[in-house]
Amino acid sequence: DTGVSQNPRHKITKRGQNVTFRCDPISEHNRLYWYRQTLGQGPEFLTYFQNEAQLEKSRLLSDRFSAERPKGSFSTLEIQRTEQGDSAMYLCASRPTGPEAFFGQGTRLTVV
Amino acid sequence: AQKITQTQPGMFVQEKEAVTLDCTYDTSDQSYGLFWYKQPSSGEMIFLIYQGSYDEQNATEGRYSLNFQKARKSANLVISASQLGDSAMYFCAMREVTSGTYKYIFGTGTRLKVLA
Repeated sequence: DTGVSQNPRHKITKRGQNVTFRCDPISEHNRLYWYRQTLGQGPEFLTYFQNEAQLEKSRLLSDRFSAERPKGSFSTLEIQRTEQGDSAMYLCASRPTGPEAFFGQGTRLTVV
Repeated sequence: AQKITQTQPGMFVQEKEAVTLDCTYDTSDQSYGLFWYKQPSSGEMIFLIYQGSYDEQNATEGRYSLNFQKARKSANLVISASQLGDSAMYFCAMREVTSGTYKYIFGTGTRLKVLA
């Protein structure tokens, strides 16, 4: 059990550029979440996958955000045309059949 | 609507003392789970403890215990024998089981500082 892995750990990008983050969940965890966390706040839900199916998306998720989990294993989160307000920590979590989710160390995005 | 409230932005505790971090929740679902996570400065969210809404006994995990008062809709975290390494942000979270949503919702957190 190597834990949830997220890459990159840090990303600095210019406003207007596209960025993509990757999450490798704990093996055999078929449930996967993406969250966003800004300074001083709790994590905010973005989207949820069960296997390869995206079953829930936050209404706050603009159309610049898209997530995929093509083979039910790793997942990617893409942000198009980044804005300064997208600067945040992006957290990925996976869950087995049990109740608790296990989080990765996050990708910190800075948009300049 | 589901909601988590943590009213203590920051707490101090002396090393080796016990501390209680408050959490209240709101849900109309009958079946739900309550969770506490620790977030050190490194950023990773570390799962600490879980309480199911139908569990009659309060959950305990080592030095962590969850004081679950269902009628009051509170799920306070008690850390006994605080250690310097307990200094971190602590988040209370909830997931409804039967409402059709899969997400966890989090409170705004409490920053705990353990003093030597």
